[in-house]
Order: sequence, then C-alpha cells, then structure tokens
Amino acid sequence: NAGVTQTPKFQVLKTGQSMTLQCAQDMNHNSMYWYRQDPGMGLRLIYYSASEGTTDKGEVPNGYNVSRLNKREFSLRLESAAPSQTSVYFCASSEAGTGKLEAFFGQGTRLTVV
Amino acid sequence: AQSVSQHNHHVILSEAASLELGCNYSYGGTVNLFWYVQYPGQHLQLLLKYFSGDPLVKGIKGFEAEFIKSKFSFNLRKPSVQWSDTAEYFCAVYSSASKIIFGSGTRLSIRP
Repeated sequence: NAGVTQTPKFQVLKTGQSMTLQCAQDMNHNSMYWYRQDPGMGLRLIYYSASEGTTDKGEVPNGYNVSRLNKREFSLRLESAAPSQTSVYFCASSEAGTGKLEAFFGQGTRLTVV
Repeated sequence: AQSVSQHNHHVILSEAASLELGCNYSYGGTVNLFWYVQYPGQHLQLLLKYFSGDPLVKGIKGFEAEFIKSKFSFNLRKPSVQWSDTAEYFCAVYSSASKIIFGSGTRLSIRP
C-alpha cells in the first residue's frame, strides 16, 4: 500500500521557471492538501481540496495554483518560481467522517529556487 | 481564523526526563486535535488524536495528550523520554472548514 506518493523528491529551479509537483493517494480519501515547511514556521497550508472537484486557498496561496485532477490526484503548480518559494513541500490526504480525519503525508519534495 | 500555537520552539532534555509540550488552539467550534512527529529527514507521522470522549488520549511510543477545553489546550506528555524521541513535534487542529492547521512545531533534542 503506497499511501501518498509525491514526485519529484528533489528539484532545483531557476527564478522564473515553472513546474508542477505531483501527488497521488491510493487510500480513496476525499480531502487532499498541499503544505510547505520552512524552518521555525511549521507547516503552512497552501491549498486544499475537500472533495473531488473543489479547491480552496489555505494560509499562503500566493504564487501557486492547484488542480484536483480526480479523486486520487492533486497537483501544485508554480507558474513563475521565486527564491521565496524555496521550501519542502508536503502533500497529504485525509478521509471524512468522525474519527478518520487525520492526514497521511507523502515523503515531501525539496525545492530550491536559485 | 483558526490557529495553533506551540510556545516551546526547542526543548532539550536528558534521557529518562519527563516531557510536556504545550499546544493551544483558537477555534470555537467542535475541534479534532492531533499530534504529529517528524523524525529527521522523514515525513510527518501521527502520534495521537482526539475527537471526543475521554480527554486523556494515549498514542504510540508511550505518548499521551490531555484535552482541556476550558484552556483551549492539548498538551503532549511522556513520562520518560529516550534518545530515539529526538524529533520535531507538531500540534494540529481540524476545523469544520475541512482544513488541517498546524502549529510551528517544537524541536526536541535528547541528550544521551
């Protein structure tokens, strides 16, 4: 059981380049999330999707776009990368319903923008 | 807006010492609360969760947490830490808006 799979694991971009981070889950979860992790700031929510076909902004959405392609996949796009977007990005998914709401995380993508 | 505060940024303990990490949240509705652990170089893993019922929740690896509604707190405890508990610990809250919000984390260092 793979759980949550993110690709790529590492990426270096030049300022102004674009890229898409891919995320897929095989747990039939309704909700999916993108977070960025920066030292001393914990995990900050970029975008989330409560269910297939819906997406909503989180705490730090500027400079990002997302697509909930289907129930399994939720991608994060950087249209014009900036050094401030250097971070570790985590995708997560969760089930709906009382007692099942915890998030399961992917292994992360370490992105460096130079 | 919902928020989670973890006031201890870095805690250093000796092995066998007792641990308590603070977590306070701001959300007036029904809360679902979590503690996650991130070992060096790894992704986040769930330690324990609270949804309802007994406010004292037991998790994996000997950790427990107490939900105190009147104080908006969900502190993590362990009676005796081990070197292998060296990690970063995150408190999180699930709100009715289908969002999971995390605190800034507490780095725990254990001296052998």
